[in-house]
Amino acid sequence: GNSVTQMEGPVTLSEEAFLTINCTYTATGYPSLFWYVQYPGEGLQLLLKATKADDKGSNKGFEATYRKETTSFHLEKGSVQVSDSAVYFCALSRPGSARQLTFGSGTQLTVLP
Amino acid sequence: DVKVTQSSRYLVKRTGEKVFLECVQDMDHENMFWYRQDPGLGLRLIYFSYDVKMKEKGDIPEGYSVSREKKERFSLILESASTNQTSMYLCASRMTGTGSNQPQHFGDGTRLSIL
Repeated sequence: GNSVTQMEGPVTLSEEAFLTINCTYTATGYPSLFWYVQYPGEGLQLLLKATKADDKGSNKGFEATYRKETTSFHLEKGSVQVSDSAVYFCALSRPGSARQLTFGSGTQLTVLP
Repeated sequence: DVKVTQSSRYLVKRTGEKVFLECVQDMDHENMFWYRQDPGLGLRLIYFSYDVKMKEKGDIPEGYSVSREKKERFSLILESASTNQTSMYLCASRMTGTGSNQPQHFGDGTRLSIL
């Protein structure tokens, strides 16, 4: 079936450090891939997306590239800020049932000043 | 901007009660979803609706039902609340589009405690 595996957290970084959160997926067909972010006390917000192989999604300094050969969609940011502290979720839309998303378990990021 | 509004941020109910969680979206989206979020498990889909009066079971529908009488409103019902339904509940909506690239838009969540 379809599944998303995310890097286990929590992750703690100092401000201005480089961030990578790993995400790999299993799916039949060609899913779209998403990163969502959840700030404390809030719902999920779309951070970025990619809809086909080799697409790069980017937003607010975050980037992720859709790698079909490695079935991965790793999230990166060159220099994190305290305000980036949140939970990050990788997700895929299920081929053949485009309305539904399959989520990873989430990765808690804490950035220290 | 899309606005998805959940009626309560925090809710405390007792075992055996019938509980209603309400969700309203203002962007005329066809698709709506209910998830529960638990630590270490991410988000799990309870039910979704792809249009008015339509509903489909998600991955964990047991103990829940839903209602979609109007396009903008999607209600989650706990028929007889139990302590294992204590969780954060998230509602989302989505526009129907070609392919699978339309994102879901989420409300702020309802933290439900069953005592």
